[in-house]
Amino acid sequence: KAGVTQTPRYLIKTRGQQVTLSCSPISGHRSVSWYQQTPGQGLQFLFEYFSETQRNKGNFPGRFSGRQFSNSRSEMNVSTLELGDSALYLCASSLRLDQETQYFGPGTRLLVL
Amino acid sequence: DAKTTQPTSMDCAEGRAANLPCNHSTISGNEYVYWYRQIHSQGPQYIIHGLKNNETNEMASLIITEDRKSSTLILPHATLRDTAVYYCIVRGNNAGNNRKLIWGLGTSLAVNP
Repeated sequence: KAGVTQTPRYLIKTRGQQVTLSCSPISGHRSVSWYQQTPGQGLQFLFEYFSETQRNKGNFPGRFSGRQFSNSRSEMNVSTLELGDSALYLCASSLRLDQETQYFGPGTRLLVL
Repeated sequence: DAKTTQPTSMDCAEGRAANLPCNHSTISGNEYVYWYRQIHSQGPQYIIHGLKNNETNEMASLIITEDRKSSTLILPHATLRDTAVYYCIVRGNNAGNNRKLIWGLGTSLAVNP
């Protein structure tokens, strides 16, 4: 089986712009979670989707949003980018909502200038 | 949600066992302990998880104390490829379907030749 894929792998944006990141889970996995990773904060949970519905949400401002499609692929969007949004954005998939073992993609590295 | 405490860094000689400790003194009865690792510039990789019994798989062993307030991940014969950041996390178990993994900053393990 192919692993979790994320596109693009690298991205450079400027302040005020918006960005959309994409994640394709492992085939058959229906739960997708997103994390932000920065050197000082470690991994921070953004949100989790299952069956096209957001089921869980971390403590991030409304500029961060996401969605999941019927094929379980997910996108996250960050609007009005700030310098502090520069980070590695990780997507993880799992078989079910209550399936705790998560499989991570390689991440999208976002740099905001 | 229970938090974990891990040493910031550890060294290990190649071929020797690497024992990575984790404290999770506020863990509740139905929370699992999970271990992941992250090799530089890659997404985290699942290693092992457990509730109260010791667990072993092809990658590692997990020893959980009887009071469940701490655990140790054991890599029996560390290789240079085991150099990574190791995360010990406890499943957050909020009401309803809300649950998220709380990630700390992990232990940076350096395996030396």
